Amino acid sequence: DAKTTQPPSMDCAEGRAANLPCNHSTISGNEYVYWYRQIHSQGPQYIIHGLKNNETNEMASLIITEDRKSSTLILPHATLRDTAVYYCIVRVAFPGGGADGLTFGKGTHLIIQP
Amino acid sequence: DADVTQTPRNRITKTGKRIMLECSQTKGHDRMYWYRQDPGLGLRLIYYSFDVKDINKGEISDGYSVSRQAQAKFSLSLESAIPNQTALYFCATSPSSTAETFFGQGTRLTVV
Repeated sequence: DAKTTQPPSMDCAEGRAANLPCNHSTISGNEYVYWYRQIHSQGPQYIIHGLKNNETNEMASLIITEDRKSSTLILPHATLRDTAVYYCIVRVAFPGGGADGLTFGKGTHLIIQP
Repeated sequence: DADVTQTPRNRITKTGKRIMLECSQTKGHDRMYWYRQDPGLGLRLIYYSFDVKDINKGEISDGYSVSRQAQAKFSLSLESAIPNQTALYFCATSPSSTAETFFGQGTRLTVV
């Protein structure tokens, strides 16, 4: 799986949009971009994923650049409960088998300030 | 009730002891995983299983073994625990490699 690069930490004011960047310059055509977050030492929580089109769900939006070498996770109205470590993960999809699992980096520690 | 349940949630054990961490899921997923997390780092894959007859090593399988007793149960064993296996352990499930992965709440293991 391709490697990702994220800033180690970011601050955002409560109520504002939090924009978390991720570089994945070696991504290949069959690799998806996934975002998970981990609050304190709880189990990671899935947020969103995409292949090449922008995606939106009830939690966040995912913007993937046209060349797919980077992406941005957007939390539109950050709350204090969004303080967490956010992981950007690039993963090859093998629907019928093959290597599996998620490769986690160190992620971005997002701190929402009151 | 949680979809992915890990037991115990916390455990302290002595060096050289055998210990088993258990995981059960109610999601009906075929794929199950064990990860470990060390302080300040992301999760690393220990083992994964596509079904009860398919077990695969992950990135850091040395010193660990697993058993898939049923579709819903996946156990991780440390045959002879050592202090550097002190970590937070997570079990996870997924219906496929493209879908989201669901994690348990973790087991904090301390080997003294």
